[in-house]
Amino acid sequence: QQQVKQSPQSLIVQKGGIPIINCAYENTAFDYFPWYQQFPGKGPALLIAIRPDVSEKKEGRFTISFNKSAKQFSLHIMDSQPGDSATYFCAAAYNQGGKLIFGQGTELSVKP
Amino acid sequence: DADVTQTPRNRITKTGKRIMLECSQTKGHDRMYWYRQDPGLGLRLIYYSFDVKDINKGEISDGYSVSRQAQAKFSLSLESAIPNQTALYFCATSESGGMNTEAFFGQGTRLTVV
Repeated sequence: QQQVKQSPQSLIVQKGGIPIINCAYENTAFDYFPWYQQFPGKGPALLIAIRPDVSEKKEGRFTISFNKSAKQFSLHIMDSQPGDSATYFCAAAYNQGGKLIFGQGTELSVKP
Repeated sequence: DADVTQTPRNRITKTGKRIMLECSQTKGHDRMYWYRQDPGLGLRLIYYSFDVKDINKGEISDGYSVSRQAQAKFSLSLESAIPNQTALYFCATSESGGMNTEAFFGQGTRLTVV
C-alpha cells in the first residue's frame, strides 16, 4: 500500500507563481517529513524537512506547511523560477529517520 | 568525486541474466539503501542495511538480493532479470542515530531488461 500519497503528478506554473505540492500520510508514528528535489540525470537531494512538533518551516523560497490532525503536509515554492523545474518527492520516516517512505513524485515545470 | 558512487550508470541486459549493481560511499555512513524509481510510483525501497552485519528487506525485495561487503560498499543483484525490473535504481546512505536523517543519493543506474 502507498503509505505516502502525493499530488499532483505534474504541475506547470509561470515564473513568479507559487506552486503547491501536497502529501498525505497514514502512519501516525512518522516523525520526520522531508522533501527531496531531483534534477534530470541526478539523484534526489534533500531540500527541506520538518518534524511534527511545528506547523511550518521556511528556508529561503521554500516552505513546508504541516497539519498533524489532518495527516497532511505541503511544499510551497515562492516566486518560482525556471531553475526550480525538477521532480519533487515528499517522504516520511519514523524512529528518528532511517528508511524513508516516498510519495509518487511531482514533476514541476516553471515557464519563463 | 561523488560521495555516493554507483556503477554502472547504464546497463542493458537480457531476460534471465544475472546482474549486479554496485554502490560505494566515502561519507562514512553506517546506513545504506537501495531504491527503485518508476514513473508515477516514486522511489520504493528494495533493501536496506544499518550496519555491515544487518540486512533488511524493503517493500519490494522479491527478485532482488543484496550484499554488504564493507561499511562503504553495498551491492544489489538481480538473480534472473525480467523486463518489469527495467527501472532507475538508486543507492543512498545516511548517518545512524541522532536527529540528522538526511539521505544522500548516488546518481543512479538506469537498467533496461530486454
